[in-house]
Amino acid sequence: EVRLVESGGGLVKPGGSLRLSCAASGFPFNRYSMNWVRQAPGKGLEWVSSIGTDRSNMFYADSVKGRFTISRDNAKKSLYLQMNNLRVEDTAVYYCATESVWGSSPHFDSWGQGTLVAVSS
Amino acid sequence: QSVLTQPPSVSGAPGQRVSISCTGSSSNIGAGYDVHWYQLLPGTAPKLLIYGNYNRPSGVPDRFSGSKSGTSASLAITGLQAEDEADYYCQSSDISLSGSVVFGGGTRLTVL
Repeated sequence: EVRLVESGGGLVKPGGSLRLSCAASGFPFNRYSMNWVRQAPGKGLEWVSSIGTDRSNMFYADSVKGRFTISRDNAKKSLYLQMNNLRVEDTAVYYCATESVWGSSPHFDSWGQGTLVAVSS
Repeated sequence: QSVLTQPPSVSGAPGQRVSISCTGSSSNIGAGYDVHWYQLLPGTAPKLLIYGNYNRPSGVPDRFSGSKSGTSASLAITGLQAEDEADYYCQSSDISLSGSVVFGGGTRLTVL
């Protein structure tokens, strides 16, 4: 069974930093591109970042580019998101998700339960 | 403002059929990118419902179906059940955006 467990969320002041982790099990982690997707309170889903299987091909939403860094450790079957210079608008539940491609557009097969990041003074 | 436009809400009685639209443009759905659909139940992880416009992952009931035409896509739910009450999101890619993944704004389905 695919299992994704996020951790590392919490309350942080504007300008602060947090590192999110996602522990994966039940599937060949090193064969899947991975993503972070977030949902702000009362808002819709927003894609944040993706990373290829061998830590190449990292992509970011414009809203986080230059502030967030995605990484992975295939030996530890873990995905990470280093978030720096956090803003109030980064407040959201952050989900990690596996990526598959069918046809012309990637989709997200499996998702974790999410971890809450709250940015407030 | 989301790149993909969905109605904020739809509703239907048990047993009825409802449809949720997802309207894009020539830089995303109209450019030939596939559309995928997710269900978000309160307090649970998002669930993939439809991928590649009309494919259902294993375990998703055939009451859920997807279609795509031109710059739009639709999710249809037949035989509506109380447990279908949730938020539904479409997702695709966009040629003009960094990383290219885009979501619709989401639709709240209420089962009357």
